[in-house]
Amino acid sequence: SQQGEEDPQALSIQEGENATMNCSYKTSINNLQWYRQNSGRGLVHLILIRSNEREKHSGRLRVTLDTSKKSSSLLITASRAADTASYFCATNAGNMLTFGGGTRLMVKP
Amino acid sequence: ETGVTQSPTHLIKTRGQQVTLRCSSQSGHNTVSWYQQALGQGPQFIFQYYREEENGRGNFPPRFSGLQFPNYSSELNVNALELDDSALYLCASSFPLGEHNEQFFGPGTRLTVL
Repeated sequence: SQQGEEDPQALSIQEGENATMNCSYKTSINNLQWYRQNSGRGLVHLILIRSNEREKHSGRLRVTLDTSKKSSSLLITASRAADTASYFCATNAGNMLTFGGGTRLMVKP
Repeated sequence: ETGVTQSPTHLIKTRGQQVTLRCSSQSGHNTVSWYQQALGQGPQFIFQYYREEENGRGNFPPRFSGLQFPNYSSELNVNALELDDSALYLCASSFPLGEHNEQFFGPGTRLTVL
């Protein structure tokens, strides 16, 4: 079963706009990670936020974590066509990652 | 590139056959995890190997088995293949997962069962 649930399942925006994806989970975690996947290929690690952190930035990415609501968000600012991909959140509660179903992002040029 | 390699890239098998997938971990990593990703879904954890021992297992039947070798490379074996085993199989290497560690994924093996 998948602990994380991403919302929305699909998102279509114009280049230059911001994209926000949300993730909810069910149990206590050590950290939460966001991954990107292009066209059914391998997953690329984007960012890791620990359970005692509330916000983290990496380039055009901003991740927030609210452990009281068991939720996280990923914001991609000034999106580019190359950002078109599926984005997954994954929670680490032990020795494994539990992934959500993903958000499919399409950025139109 | 993560330094994690998988072989083969694609594989076609028929129902009832057996398959072995291979993964070479990133240099220095002693933990390998395997995931199954069905089309349009997120990866599902199969199991993890740490220093050649199974170190956690997801909700997969015993016909899914694995090995880790002294150089930390790993195999995933699936016996008695079923149509629903058709998926992308991903391996990921890491140090033991804890508060800080991320997993580095290979490009995956796409298995089709006919």
